[in-house]
Amino acid sequence: QQQVKQSPQSLIVQKGGISIINCAYENTAFDYFPWYQQFPGKGPALLIAIRPDVSEKKEGRFTISFNKSAKQFSLHIMDSQPGDSATYFCAASPRGSRLTFGEGTQLTVNP
Amino acid sequence: ETGVTQSPTHLIKTRGQQVTLRCSSQSGHNTVSWYQQALGQGPQFIFQYYREEENGRGNFPPRFSGLQFPNYSSELNVNALELDDSALYLCASSLGAGFSYGYTFGSGTRLTVV
Repeated sequence: QQQVKQSPQSLIVQKGGISIINCAYENTAFDYFPWYQQFPGKGPALLIAIRPDVSEKKEGRFTISFNKSAKQFSLHIMDSQPGDSATYFCAASPRGSRLTFGEGTQLTVNP
Repeated sequence: ETGVTQSPTHLIKTRGQQVTLRCSSQSGHNTVSWYQQALGQGPQFIFQYYREEENGRGNFPPRFSGLQFPNYSSELNVNALELDDSALYLCASSLGAGFSYGYTFGSGTRLTVV
Protein backbone atom coordinates (compact mmCIF):
# COMPACT_ATOMS: atom_id res chain seq x y z
CA GLN A 1 0.00 0.00 0.00
CA GLN A 2 1.48 3.28 -1.17
CA GLN A 3 1.00 5.65 1.75
CA VAL A 4 3.38 8.38 0.61
CA LYS A 5 3.30 9.50 -3.00
CA GLN A 6 6.25 11.48 -4.34
CA SER A 7 6.65 13.47 -7.53
CA PRO A 8 8.31 14.03 -9.88
CA GLN A 9 10.21 10.80 -10.44
CA SER A 10 13.08 12.74 -11.96
CA LEU A 11 14.00 16.40 -12.14
CA ILE A 12 16.61 18.35 -14.08
CA VAL A 13 17.45 21.93 -13.10
CA GLN A 14 20.16 24.38 -13.98
CA LYS A 15 22.76 25.49 -11.49
CA GLY A 16 21.35 28.29 -9.38
CA GLY A 17 17.75 27.27 -9.99
CA ILE A 18 15.11 26.08 -7.56
CA SER A 19 14.36 22.38 -7.20
CA ILE A 20 10.90 21.47 -5.94
CA ILE A 21 9.83 17.97 -4.93
CA ASN A 22 6.33 17.17 -3.71
CA CYS A 23 4.86 14.49 -1.48
CA ALA A 24 1.36 13.56 -0.39
CA TYR A 25 0.36 11.22 2.39
CA GLU A 26 -2.80 9.42 3.43
CA ASN A 27 -2.31 8.29 7.01
CA THR A 28 -3.46 11.00 9.42
CA ALA A 29 -1.45 9.34 12.18
CA PHE A 30 1.76 10.58 10.55
CA ASP A 31 3.27 13.41 12.55
CA TYR A 32 6.91 13.49 11.50
CA PHE A 33 8.00 14.29 7.96
CA PRO A 34 11.70 14.04 7.10
CA TRP A 35 13.50 14.38 3.80
CA TYR A 36 16.50 12.22 2.98
CA GLN A 37 19.27 12.58 0.40
CA GLN A 38 20.90 9.48 -1.03
CA PHE A 39 24.00 9.28 -3.18
CA PRO A 40 24.85 6.12 -5.17
CA GLY A 41 26.34 3.43 -2.96
CA LYS A 42 25.37 5.24 0.23
CA GLY A 43 22.53 5.07 2.70
CA PRO A 44 19.99 7.89 3.00
CA ALA A 45 21.12 10.92 5.00
CA LEU A 46 18.67 13.16 6.85
CA LEU A 47 18.42 16.62 5.29
CA ILE A 48 15.61 18.32 7.14
CA ALA A 49 12.43 17.33 8.96
CA ILE A 50 9.20 18.97 10.03
CA ARG A 51 6.33 18.30 12.39
CA PRO A 52 2.74 19.34 11.59
CA ASP A 53 2.60 22.15 14.15
CA VAL A 54 4.49 24.43 11.73
CA SER A 55 3.87 25.18 8.06
CA GLU A 56 7.44 25.84 7.01
CA LYS A 57 10.97 25.05 8.14
CA LYS A 58 14.15 26.38 6.60
CA GLU A 59 17.71 25.17 7.02
CA GLY A 60 20.22 26.86 4.77
CA ARG A 61 19.19 26.32 1.15
CA PHE A 62 16.62 23.66 2.07
CA THR A 63 13.01 24.49 2.96
CA ILE A 64 10.09 22.22 3.80
CA SER A 65 6.59 23.54 3.20
CA PHE A 66 3.79 21.64 4.95
CA ASN A 67 0.04 21.75 4.28
CA LYS A 68 -1.74 19.71 6.93
CA SER A 69 -5.26 20.11 5.50
CA ALA A 70 -4.15 18.95 2.06
CA LYS A 71 -1.87 16.28 3.55
CA GLN A 72 0.98 17.47 1.36
CA PHE A 73 4.53 18.60 1.94
CA SER A 74 7.32 19.69 -0.32
CA LEU A 75 11.07 20.24 -0.40
CA HIS A 76 12.51 23.36 -1.99
CA ILE A 77 16.22 23.51 -2.76
CA MET A 78 17.28 27.08 -3.45
CA ASP A 79 20.34 27.96 -5.53
CA SER A 80 20.69 24.32 -6.61
CA GLN A 81 24.27 23.13 -7.13
CA PRO A 82 25.74 20.21 -9.10
CA GLY A 83 26.72 18.66 -5.76
CA ASP A 84 23.01 18.45 -4.92
CA SER A 85 22.57 15.86 -7.68
CA ALA A 86 21.28 12.82 -5.81
CA THR A 87 18.09 10.90 -5.11
CA TYR A 88 15.74 12.55 -2.63
CA PHE A 89 13.18 10.71 -0.56
CA CYS A 90 10.36 12.11 1.47
CA ALA A 91 9.17 10.03 4.40
CA ALA A 92 6.48 10.08 7.04
CA SER A 93 6.17 8.48 10.42
CA PRO A 94 3.82 8.19 13.38
CA ARG A 95 5.67 9.57 16.41
CA GLY A 96 9.00 9.22 14.63
CA SER A 97 8.92 5.44 14.67
CA ARG A 98 8.80 3.40 11.46
CA LEU A 99 9.45 5.54 8.38
CA THR A 100 7.28 5.20 5.28
CA PHE A 101 9.25 6.45 2.29
CA GLY A 102 8.15 7.87 -1.01
CA GLU A 103 9.42 6.38 -4.26
CA GLY A 104 12.22 8.90 -4.65
CA THR A 105 13.14 11.74 -7.00
CA GLN A 106 16.35 11.64 -8.98
CA LEU A 107 17.63 15.22 -9.12
CA THR A 108 20.21 16.31 -11.67
CA VAL A 109 21.65 19.81 -11.46
CA ASN A 110 23.42 20.83 -14.64
CA PRO A 111 26.43 23.15 -14.35
CA GLU B 1 31.87 9.85 16.26
CA THR B 2 31.50 6.49 14.53
CA GLY B 3 28.64 6.00 12.13
CA VAL B 4 26.54 2.93 11.36
CA THR B 5 28.59 0.08 9.93
CA GLN B 6 27.08 -2.76 7.94
CA SER B 7 28.67 -5.98 6.78
CA PRO B 8 29.16 -7.42 4.32
CA THR B 9 28.84 -4.69 1.69
CA HIS B 10 27.92 -7.12 -1.07
CA LEU B 11 26.64 -10.67 -1.02
CA ILE B 12 25.50 -13.21 -3.60
CA LYS B 13 23.31 -16.10 -2.47
CA THR B 14 21.39 -18.88 -4.17
CA ARG B 15 17.61 -19.16 -3.96
CA GLY B 16 16.61 -21.21 -0.93
CA GLN B 17 19.70 -20.37 1.10
CA GLN B 18 19.82 -18.42 4.33
CA VAL B 19 21.67 -15.15 4.95
CA THR B 20 22.72 -13.10 7.97
CA LEU B 21 23.44 -9.39 7.66
CA ARG B 22 25.12 -7.43 10.44
CA CYS B 23 24.91 -3.89 11.71
CA SER B 24 26.95 -1.96 14.26
CA SER B 25 25.00 0.98 15.60
CA GLN B 26 26.35 4.46 16.01
CA SER B 27 27.90 4.86 19.44
CA GLY B 28 25.25 5.38 22.15
CA HIS B 29 22.31 4.46 19.92
CA ASN B 30 19.92 1.89 21.46
CA THR B 31 17.42 1.60 18.61
CA VAL B 32 18.01 -0.19 15.33
CA SER B 33 15.70 -0.39 12.33
CA TRP B 34 16.11 -2.46 9.19
CA TYR B 35 14.85 -1.45 5.74
CA GLN B 36 14.79 -3.16 2.36
CA GLN B 37 15.40 -0.96 -0.67
CA ALA B 38 14.66 -2.52 -4.04
CA LEU B 39 16.35 -0.97 -7.06
CA GLY B 40 14.79 2.36 -7.96
CA GLN B 41 12.42 2.38 -4.99
CA GLY B 42 12.22 3.89 -1.54
CA PRO B 43 13.25 1.88 1.53
CA GLN B 44 10.59 -0.37 3.05
CA PHE B 45 10.46 -0.86 6.83
CA ILE B 46 11.19 -4.43 7.94
CA PHE B 47 11.35 -4.14 11.75
CA GLN B 48 12.78 -2.15 14.63
CA TYR B 49 14.55 -3.21 17.82
CA TYR B 50 14.66 -1.09 20.95
CA ARG B 51 16.83 -2.27 23.83
CA GLU B 52 16.91 -5.83 22.47
CA GLU B 53 13.14 -6.14 22.02
CA GLU B 54 11.26 -6.01 18.71
CA ASN B 55 9.43 -2.70 18.59
CA GLY B 56 7.38 -2.87 15.44
CA ARG B 57 7.36 -4.89 12.24
CA GLY B 58 6.50 -4.06 8.66
CA ASN B 59 4.73 -6.21 6.09
CA PHE B 60 7.43 -8.86 5.73
CA PRO B 61 7.02 -12.64 6.15
CA PRO B 62 8.34 -14.50 9.22
CA ARG B 63 11.35 -15.75 7.29
CA PHE B 64 12.73 -12.26 7.93
CA SER B 65 13.92 -12.22 11.53
CA GLY B 66 16.26 -10.17 13.62
CA LEU B 67 18.22 -9.82 16.80
CA GLN B 68 19.65 -6.96 18.80
CA PHE B 69 22.53 -7.66 21.15
CA PRO B 70 23.38 -6.05 24.52
CA ASN B 71 25.90 -3.77 22.78
CA TYR B 72 23.00 -2.69 20.50
CA SER B 73 24.51 -4.22 17.37
CA SER B 74 21.99 -6.12 15.29
CA GLU B 75 21.50 -8.93 12.80
CA LEU B 76 18.96 -9.44 10.05
CA ASN B 77 18.36 -13.06 9.07
CA VAL B 78 16.51 -14.13 5.97
CA ASN B 79 15.62 -17.78 5.44
CA ALA B 80 14.57 -19.56 2.25
CA LEU B 81 15.83 -16.75 0.01
CA GLU B 82 13.73 -15.80 -2.98
CA LEU B 83 14.78 -13.93 -6.11
CA ASP B 84 12.66 -10.94 -5.02
CA ASP B 85 14.77 -10.63 -1.87
CA SER B 86 17.50 -9.11 -4.03
CA ALA B 87 17.84 -5.57 -2.71
CA LEU B 88 19.90 -3.14 -0.66
CA TYR B 89 19.37 -3.80 3.03
CA LEU B 90 19.78 -0.74 5.19
CA CYS B 91 20.28 -0.51 8.92
CA ALA B 92 19.44 2.71 10.75
CA SER B 93 20.20 3.51 14.36
CA SER B 94 18.95 6.22 16.70
CA LEU B 95 19.17 7.31 20.32
CA GLY B 96 15.56 6.30 20.87
CA ALA B 97 12.40 5.20 19.13
CA GLY B 98 10.62 8.52 18.86
CA PHE B 99 10.59 11.56 16.58
CA SER B 100 13.01 13.49 18.73
CA TYR B 101 15.77 11.27 17.47
CA GLY B 102 17.09 11.31 13.95
CA TYR B 103 17.96 8.06 12.26
CA THR B 104 21.49 7.47 10.99
CA PHE B 105 21.63 5.03 8.10
CA GLY B 106 24.47 2.76 7.15
CA SER B 107 25.60 2.34 3.55
CA GLY B 108 23.77 -0.97 3.31
CA THR B 109 24.39 -4.53 2.20
CA ARG B 110 23.67 -5.27 -1.44
CA LEU B 111 22.14 -8.76 -1.56
CA THR B 112 21.77 -10.56 -4.88
CA VAL B 113 19.81 -13.81 -4.99
CA VAL B 114 20.43 -15.99 -8.04
